Amino acid sequence: DIQMTQSPSSVSASVGDRVTITCRASRGISTWLGWYQQKPGKAPKLLIYTASSLQSGVPSRFSGSGSGTDFTLTISSLQPEDFATYYCQQAFNFPFTFGQGTRLEIK
Amino acid sequence: EVQLVESGGGLVQPGGSLRLSCAASGFTFNIHWMSWARQAPGKGLEWVANIKPDGSEEYYLDSVKGRFTISRDNAKNSFYLQMNSLRVEDTAMYYCARDVGDNSGWYGFDPWGQGTLVTVSS
Repeated sequence: DIQMTQSPSSVSASVGDRVTITCRASRGISTWLGWYQQKPGKAPKLLIYTASSLQSGVPSRFSGSGSGTDFTLTISSLQPEDFATYYCQQAFNFPFTFGQGTRLEIK
Repeated sequence: EVQLVESGGGLVQPGGSLRLSCAASGFTFNIHWMSWARQAPGKGLEWVANIKPDGSEEYYLDSVKGRFTISRDNAKNSFYLQMNSLRVEDTAMYYCARDVGDNSGWYGFDPWGQGTLVTVSS
């Protein structure tokens, strides 16, 4: 199975800050990577697919990059509604696997 | 509006069985792969299984192979997860989701249902 490792596990930031979360795959997955946002008590929401494509309806302050084994999710200017947990997920092969999550907290 | 609604969760003893259902609406169900994923309390996300649009292919997480079976009824715009020989470690919120992608591969899951809680405990 492909292991997905996110860093950091948690991060504190302020409204207006730029935040970057990284995700590393245990082997190359080309650009078959998605990013999800999950708020407490809610289902995950797809933000980014194929590493850098913005899902319809997602604000443009979210962006993704990377290929192979190393990927990043960047939020350019944090808004209050962005405080949540973020997960990466590889869609390269079965079983699809997720990172352990990065909790984004208000400083 | 694209919507997925799960049902069938509950409390079951170890070794017991449960059948989850997911009702889909707002999109052409019979052209999409569909998935189940789960999240143990306070833990991360874990993909469980998915099924091809015509039901002819299924894939599973190793830890549920032989115990869980995914199926679908395109006439009812619904799919299911039959869970047998349940273990304490299967306790989780179970989400159904639509697979998104194209002929070149999978992109991810969108949308997700609101989840149904399965608790395995004596």
